[in-house]
Amino acid sequence: QVQLQESGPGLVKPSETLSLTCTVSGGSISSFYWSWIRQPPGKGLEWIGYISSSGSTNYNPSLKSRVTILVDTSKNHVSLKLSSVTAADTAVYYCARRLYSSSSRWFDPWGQGTLVTVSS
Amino acid sequence: DIQMTQSPSSLSASVRDRVTITCRASQNIGSYLNWYQQRPGKAPKLLIYAASSLQSGVPSRFSGSGSGTHFTLTISSLQPEDFATYYCQQSYSTPYTFGQGTKLQIK
Repeated sequence: QVQLQESGPGLVKPSETLSLTCTVSGGSISSFYWSWIRQPPGKGLEWIGYISSSGSTNYNPSLKSRVTILVDTSKNHVSLKLSSVTAADTAVYYCARRLYSSSSRWFDPWGQGTLVTVSS
Repeated sequence: DIQMTQSPSSLSASVRDRVTITCRASQNIGSYLNWYQQRPGKAPKLLIYAASSLQSGVPSRFSGSGSGTHFTLTISSLQPEDFATYYCQQSYSTPYTFGQGTKLQIK
């Protein structure tokens, strides 16, 4: 059973770069797409972007200028970098696997999430 | 971007009640619609994908229907563990977007 675990600093200073890693266990990272999704405290969900196991990416235009998602198949890792952060980037960050059929695409499973606070 | 609008935003119900949550898309998304359950402090959990397909391991009291722009999630007989927040999500086109959530509370 595939499990995802996010990790990284819980506190980032304004204007710096947020860096998180998602470690995939119980299965291979290959042949799947991997997404990052975030949720500000008490608010709804926002899709950040995805990456394929071959490295193709697609980012939310609202964050595109600041986001980089990378994949390391040798380590079964997916990473997220978000530059020039502000307090508005304070959120729980989730990674999730994207699955698909002929008639839809969906996220399953999700990691447990990691809270990142932007504050000086 | 495709806007997803859920109604109601919150709902009070009792154990064994039947409840329905509605999700509307701002344009036709076919069956590219998924439903997630989120309990406090936990990650979202997939319930329904492709509008009406029940995810493995999810109780059969959950069901989804709809296509195009109008979708519903129905819980046929509420159980105590079902009190949570529910989100719809479109995967027709990027950026993928979520509804604002429906918080289901105990009456």
